[in-house]
Parts: sequence; C-alpha cells; structure tokens
Amino acid sequence: GENVEQHPSTLSVQEGDSAVIKCTYSDSASNYFPWYKQELGKGPQLIIDIRSNVGEKKDQRIAVTLNKTAKHFSLHITETQPEDSAVYFCAASLGPVDSSYKLIFGSGTRLLVRP
Amino acid sequence: GAVVSQHPSRVICKSGTSVKIECRSLDFQATTMFWYRQFPKQSLMLMATSNEGSKATYEQGVEKDKFLINHASLTLSTLTVTSAHPEDSSFYICSAGTSGRHGTQYFGPGTRLTVL
Repeated sequence: GENVEQHPSTLSVQEGDSAVIKCTYSDSASNYFPWYKQELGKGPQLIIDIRSNVGEKKDQRIAVTLNKTAKHFSLHITETQPEDSAVYFCAASLGPVDSSYKLIFGSGTRLLVRP
Repeated sequence: GAVVSQHPSRVICKSGTSVKIECRSLDFQATTMFWYRQFPKQSLMLMATSNEGSKATYEQGVEKDKFLINHASLTLSTLTVTSAHPEDSSFYICSAGTSGRHGTQYFGPGTRLTVL
C-alpha cells in the first residue's frame, strides 16, 4: 500500500525566514496531495492541496510543489510568522474508491517560528 | 464554508461505559466521513471510513464491535466507543468529504476521550 515519509520531524526558523517541509510517497498512482496544519488540541486544518496534473500551486505565503517523477512534494512557507508555529502533516491519496478519498498521512513536522 | 463540528470536545468516563461522539458537516453534505485516532505527538491513524447509508469499512486492527460507526445522514456520523477502557483514551477526530469537492477532507476539532 501507499506509504508517505515526511521530513524533517522538527523545524525551527527565525521569524521572516522561509520554511520547507518535504514528503515522499511510494505509489505512483497517488493523485491528490493535501497539506494540513494542526495546532495544539485542535483538529487539522487544510491549508493547501495539489493534484497530480499540476506541478505547483501558490496561495499567498504558502506554496506546494509536486515532482511526480521523483514522487515527492514539498510545502514552502515564506515570510514565516509566529502564528505559523504548529504541526504540519502531508498526505497522499490514490483517488476515489467508492466515492471516498482515503488519505495516507506523513508523520508530521513540528514547526517553531522564533520571534 | 466546509465546517465540520464534533461533540463533545472533551469527555471523561469510567471504565466499562460507552461513549458516543458526534460529527456533523455544517454547511455541506458529506458523502463520506472518516474517523481517526491520534496519540500524543503522533500522526493521524485512520480507523474507519463510512458512506452515508452503508456499513463502515474498518482499517486492519480496528475492532468494529468496539468502535461502532453510524452514518445515518449526509451531515451526521457517530462513533460509539463501547465498554471503554483506559487504553482507549485518545484524541478522536472525524473528517468529512464529498466527491463534489474532489474528495477534499475537512476535519472536525477533535474529541479528547479520557477513560478512568
């Protein structure tokens, strides 16, 4: 089955710097890659997603890139702010099976933005 | 849009009792709902997938008789932890998805279950 690896497990950056989190997936048939931000004691919040027919997607300070050949995708956060501090999860999906999109999650990256 | 609620947010119960957790999609109809379990500082572990009006599909290793899932309508799914024990203490999170939104999953705020 699909396996998603995420690196690094922890990341500390200075406010204003950029942060990059990388994920690799094993099943080349995966076609949907969302990123979630989870703050302490809360549920994950979708921040950006990308589908396999697109190589890059950007939303203000957040961008995601996808390399299907290498089977990896990355989250880029520019001009980081203290409120970006959270745990970030990547995920991959093989697409709909009986109308459901089962997500396989990475292990998470704890991002700390130092003021 | 795409708001998912969970109730209760926190529950403490005695060992041997059953606990029901509700998950609702507030502004869209959820074709599919998912239930996850998360231990401290760990990733999300999928427990089961449920489609409205159908029996839930459980992941390997998840006891279906212990974790009862009902998806009675397009906006409501419930997870009942039966005969709860301390090892069932965890953070339970639901998500809702619909094929109409290209399969995107939106998560609820989670329920912290503590079994004494």
